[in-house]
Amino acid sequence: DIQMTQSPSSVSASVGDRVTITCRASQDISSWLAWYQQKPGKAPKVLIYAASSLQSGVPSRFSGSGSGTDFTLTISSLQPEDFATYYCQQADSFPFTFGPGTKVDIK
Amino acid sequence: EVQLVESGGSLVQPGGSLRLSCAASGLIFSNHWMNWVRQAPGKGLEWVANIKQDEGERYYVDSVKGRFTISRDNARNSVYLQMNSLRVEDTAVYYCTRVSSTLWRAFDIWGRGTMVTVSS
Repeated sequence: DIQMTQSPSSVSASVGDRVTITCRASQDISSWLAWYQQKPGKAPKVLIYAASSLQSGVPSRFSGSGSGTDFTLTISSLQPEDFATYYCQQADSFPFTFGPGTKVDIK
Repeated sequence: EVQLVESGGSLVQPGGSLRLSCAASGLIFSNHWMNWVRQAPGKGLEWVANIKQDEGERYYVDSVKGRFTISRDNARNSVYLQMNSLRVEDTAVYYCTRVSSTLWRAFDIWGRGTMVTVSS
């Protein structure tokens, strides 16, 4: 099975900050990676697919990059509604696996 | 409106069984793979199982193999998860999700989830 790791596990940031989250796969997954945002008590929402493609309706301050085993999610200017937990997920092979999550909270 | 609505979650004793259902509306259900994803209280997301459009392929996470069965009824726009031999560690919110056919297999539609509690 492909293992996914994320760093950091949590980050405290202020509105307007640039935030970068890293995701690493245990083997090459090409660009089969998605990023999700989850707020407390809500279902996750897809932000990025194919490692760097922005889902329709997602603000352009979110961006993704990487391929192979190393990926990043960047929020260019953190907004109040962005405080949430972010997960990466590989869709290269079964079982599809998620990273452990990165919680972004208010500094 | 495109939506997935889960039902069937409840409190069950260890060793018991439960059947979850997910009803889809506003989408061409039969065109898509479907998933179940779960989240234990205070924990991260775990993909559980998925099923191909024609039920020809099904996959499971190792921890549920032999205990859970995913199925679907395209005529009813529904997907199911039969859960047997339930364990305390199966306690979680269970989400039904669609696998996108255009977004590189991202899970683009999620239900609100149904809570399964396994406890004596």
